[in-house]
Amino acid sequence: GNSVTQMEGPVTLSEEAFLTINCTYTATGYPSLFWYVQYPGEGLQLLLKATKADDKGSNKGFEATYRKETTSFHLEKGSVQVSDSAVYFCALSEPYAGNNRKLIWGLGTSLAVNP
Amino acid sequence: EAGVTQSPTHLIKTRGQQATLRCSPISGHTSVYWYQQALGLGLQFLLWYDEGEERNRGNFPPRFSGRQFPNYSSELNVNALELEDSALYLCASSYTDRGSQETQYFGPGTRLLVL
Repeated sequence: GNSVTQMEGPVTLSEEAFLTINCTYTATGYPSLFWYVQYPGEGLQLLLKATKADDKGSNKGFEATYRKETTSFHLEKGSVQVSDSAVYFCALSEPYAGNNRKLIWGLGTSLAVNP
Repeated sequence: EAGVTQSPTHLIKTRGQQATLRCSPISGHTSVYWYQQALGLGLQFLLWYDEGEERNRGNFPPRFSGRQFPNYSSELNVNALELEDSALYLCASSYTDRGSQETQYFGPGTRLLVL
C-alpha cells in the first residue's frame, strides 16, 4: 500500500542554520505531495504542496521538489528562525482514489531552533 | 475568510462516557475529514464526509461515528470511551473533486482526555 516515511526527529538547529527534513514515499501513479506544519498547541497548517513530478512547492522560505525518480519530497530552508520550531508532517494523496481518498501521513519530524 | 473551526477546544470525560466533537468547514467546502492524533502514533484517518454522506472510513471501531449536516458542518461521536481514545482530534475541510485530491485545511483540534 501507499506510505510516507519521514526522517526521525527531533532535529535541533541553531538559528540561521540550513534545514533538510527527508521525506520519501511509496505510491502507485502520481500522488500529490504535501508538507504541513504544526506549531505548539495548534492544529495543522498547509506549508506547501506539489501535484506533479518536478514541481517545486515553496512558502515562507521553505521549499520541496517532487522527485519521481527518487520518490522523494524533501523539505529545505536555507536559514531557519526560532519561530520555525514546530512539527513538520509530510503527506501524500492517492491519485484517482475515488471514495477511498484520504491523506497518508508520515509520523512527523519535530524541529527545535535555538537562538 | 474564516478557517475551519472546532469545538470544544478541550474535553474531559471518564471511561464509558460518550464524547461529541463539532467541526465547521471553510465556507464553500463540502468535504469534511476527521483525524486522530494520539501521542506517538502520528495522524490516523478516521472518517470522510461529503455532501452529507460517509465516503470513507479508517481502521477504527464502530463506536467512532459521525455525521455531516446540510450546512456541511460535522459531528464526531465517540461512544464507550476508552483511555486510549485520549488524543487530539483534528477536522479538515476541502472542496470536492471526484478526480483528484483537493488540499485539506485543518482546524485547531479538540483535545480529548479520558480519565
